[in-house]
Amino acid sequence: ILNVEQSPQSLHVQEGDSTNFTCSFPSSNFYALHWYRWETAKSPEALFVMTLNGDEKKKGRISATLNTKEGYSYLYIKGSQPEDSATYLCAFSDNAGNMLTFGGGTRLMVKP
Amino acid sequence: IAGITQAPTSQILAAGRRMTLRCTQDMRHNAMYWYRQDLGLGLRLIHYSNTAGTTGKGEVPDGYSVSRANTDDFPLTLASAVPSQTSVYFCASSANSLGGNEQFFGPGTRLTVL
Repeated sequence: ILNVEQSPQSLHVQEGDSTNFTCSFPSSNFYALHWYRWETAKSPEALFVMTLNGDEKKKGRISATLNTKEGYSYLYIKGSQPEDSATYLCAFSDNAGNMLTFGGGTRLMVKP
Repeated sequence: IAGITQAPTSQILAAGRRMTLRCTQDMRHNAMYWYRQDLGLGLRLIHYSNTAGTTGKGEVPDGYSVSRANTDDFPLTLASAVPSQTSVYFCASSANSLGGNEQFFGPGTRLTVL
């Protein structure tokens, strides 16, 4: 079982604040790192799939960076809005044939 | 149908009963997955299928079985349900099982075993 950890577990911010959270994963046998956004009562939806060390991806106000050598990825949200409230999941894939392993998620709550 | 559908949406089941959760996708994806979601434990993989006709065990396979007779359908069966199988179950699919492919998730089935 691969160890994928996310921090913090939950986060409360005010509307307009920028925020970031962390996903840590094994630094060996890296293949891909996924970020998913999961709104309450809905299904997880993919934000990013990152495969290269140093990769940076952006979608609107949300961006992510990747450091495969040290085994971490950051997700950033600029100017948080109430509609950003969701659980953000990361998932790690290795090149040893293991299936995607999900972290426990960071639950973000944005207060208007 | 658009994407992945799951049925039923929710179910209350007596312990010891047999139950099949259904999952169908219309994206012609080769790979399909079943996860359970439990508070504090995130998503854990139960079983997966790389392609029609093949299946594999995930992190928590005990008490569950799957079949993949065709590309579109991937049912999950609980042969004799136990209360610890109370959970929300998500089916997912991806173009193939290589880790660089994003997964698409169904709406989930909430199962309560009494």
